[in-house]
Amino acid sequence: GQNIDQPTEMTATEGAIVQINCTYQTSGFNGLFWYQQHAGEAPTFLSYNVLDGLEEKGRFSSFLSRSKGYSYLLLKELQMKDSASYLCAVRDGVWSGNTGKLIFGQGTTLQVKP
Amino acid sequence: NAGVTQTPKFQVLKTGQSMTLQCAQDMNHEYMSWYRQDPGMGLRLIHYSVGAGITDQGEVPNGYNVSRSTTEDFPLRLLSAAPSQTSVYFCASSPRDSGYGYTFGSGTRLTVV
Repeated sequence: GQNIDQPTEMTATEGAIVQINCTYQTSGFNGLFWYQQHAGEAPTFLSYNVLDGLEEKGRFSSFLSRSKGYSYLLLKELQMKDSASYLCAVRDGVWSGNTGKLIFGQGTTLQVKP
Repeated sequence: NAGVTQTPKFQVLKTGQSMTLQCAQDMNHEYMSWYRQDPGMGLRLIHYSVGAGITDQGEVPNGYNVSRSTTEDFPLRLLSAAPSQTSVYFCASSPRDSGYGYTFGSGTRLTVV
């Protein structure tokens, strides 16, 4: 089965740093993705981790620990436009590769305040 | 490239009616998926496909059918619409081995009355 957990809501201040956590329990694993979704829009890709460690991309970083079933998305120097939902997703995998199946958590709504 | 194109953008159906949500991609992606998103919830996988002629069920497949006769197209059929199927539907596609996950269409907002 698949179980992916994220906090429902978070609030942070403009200019600050926020960490959004994601824990997962899945039957297979072939990568973890973070997506950003603004209200009324489609999700857009932010980051991808398949090996343990930190991936940095500008103001956004993502960390993965496969042994702990844990990831986080770190947003630095928060801006008002970062107010959005952040979705954690796990791609299912088998020994031969990925299965094409991408399962999402319920998403974390981040509100950035002035 | 147009990316992933979904039609229609909005639709109102009466209970019991059937319809097809269209999805097309021009990126030659092997993988395609359909998701639904309800208020305050994440994306739930309905059906997915790893190539032409191959489809599989996701988390919430009941009431929906899919087919994949070509690489480009992946239509989603609602057999007999129910109010519980009121939702926003997203189609997405991905290359087979990609660190970029899925590219999403702009969505179809469906209301069943």
